[in-house]
Amino acid sequence: EAGVTQFPSHSVIEKGQTVTLRCDPISGHDNLYWYRRVMGKEIKFLLHFVKESKQDESGMPNNRFLAERTGGTYSTLKVQPAELEDSGVYFCASSRYQTGAVEQYFGPGTRLTVT
Amino acid sequence: RKEVEQDPGPFNVPEGATVAFNCTYSNSASQSFFWYRQDCRKEPKLLMSVYSSGNEDGRFTAQLNRASQYISLLIRDSKLSDSATYLCAVNRDSGGYQKVTFGTGTKLQVIP
Repeated sequence: EAGVTQFPSHSVIEKGQTVTLRCDPISGHDNLYWYRRVMGKEIKFLLHFVKESKQDESGMPNNRFLAERTGGTYSTLKVQPAELEDSGVYFCASSRYQTGAVEQYFGPGTRLTVT
Repeated sequence: RKEVEQDPGPFNVPEGATVAFNCTYSNSASQSFFWYRQDCRKEPKLLMSVYSSGNEDGRFTAQLNRASQYISLLIRDSKLSDSATYLCAVNRDSGGYQKVTFGTGTKLQVIP
């Protein structure tokens, strides 16, 4: 079974530019999560999709971040315009269930550097 | 107070040593608990779930203390390959679905 995949693995962009990150969850996992880890800090929740619906987007920092999951398969996270503080590693995770003991499986992450 | 707290370490231990980490959580409504392992510049990987009765997987033992609101991870006979950051994750119900909060992680360095 293929794991969670993310693209690109690295992205270096200038302040003010736009970047779109992609996540492909494990097949059959309805739940998809985005997280961000800024250097030296904990992994922070951004949002949670159940299929194509946003279940919880309380962790999204501001309206420069837009996540979509059309068709309930892969998801994209767009940052527009990017700011320096957006630098970090963006992880995507998926899980089969959303109740009970939810075990999440993480993708390798996209390392975003905004210069 | 953070919802999930861990000692960031680093814990430097010799090979063969036994090492234990704790993770405290503040929300008494938390329902399920996990330990993840994260290697440098890699993604977190699920190490083990933590059950109320405690559970063991080889050299790793996880325990839950609901009264004091902490979970623990014990690693026996440490190997060099155990060097990593160990993250605890705490799930709680939020409007009918599980919301996961991670600790900052505890860094373990096993030295020869």
